[in-house]
Amino acid sequence: DGGITQSPKYLFRKEGQNVTLSCEQNLNHDAMYWYRQDPGQGLRLIYYSQIVNDFQKGDIAEGYSVSREKKESFPLTVTSAQKNPTAFYLCASSRLTTGPSYNSPLHFGNGTRLTVT
Amino acid sequence: GENVEQHPSTLSVQEGDSAVIKCTYSDSASNYFPWYKQELGKGPQLIIDIRSNVGEKKDQRIAVTLNKTAKHFSLHITETQPEDSAVYFCAASRSLAYGGSQGNLIFGKGTKLSVKP
Repeated sequence: DGGITQSPKYLFRKEGQNVTLSCEQNLNHDAMYWYRQDPGQGLRLIYYSQIVNDFQKGDIAEGYSVSREKKESFPLTVTSAQKNPTAFYLCASSRLTTGPSYNSPLHFGNGTRLTVT
Repeated sequence: GENVEQHPSTLSVQEGDSAVIKCTYSDSASNYFPWYKQELGKGPQLIIDIRSNVGEKKDQRIAVTLNKTAKHFSLHITETQPEDSAVYFCAASRSLAYGGSQGNLIFGKGTKLSVKP
């Protein structure tokens, strides 16, 4: 079955350590995204990428970094500079637009819950 | 930039009743409005979407209405069932250029719907 795999489901780290969250998709989608979800805050975009070796900052990119070396993979690193890293992180992918009236839906993984103490 | 407000934040209904979730948006150029459903421990999933050239769209027990003049859109779920219990997110974005992605999609903060048997 095609889909998005995020691993691990739960991740625990000590404050001051960098941590990398994995996201892999086999949907052959060009675009991939990282969102952060906090209680009562909805989904906020961290980074997104439309093509290999290129990515753009979202609304809350500070303290995070990404890479896109392969079309299937879009790992997110939560650095020690992120002041409030404890959150639920969602990875998503989509096709690129093929016409003016087409918005490809986002396909989400099941998330990684990161706890930093 | 776009701002999406969603109400209510929590909604409790009796099985068989209808549920309505409302969203307002600020960018008059927005013309794509998807709704996502997030079940516990999972990523959000698209359930229905609407474009600004359409006032209403239905899919079995769910429907979405759009009032462009007032800049608000609503999700209607009829004959609710316990499996409808989830968090629902509305979102809004502008049309995408060819080859564009969903990086400009702005989400509301979510509504937690509880359907009591």
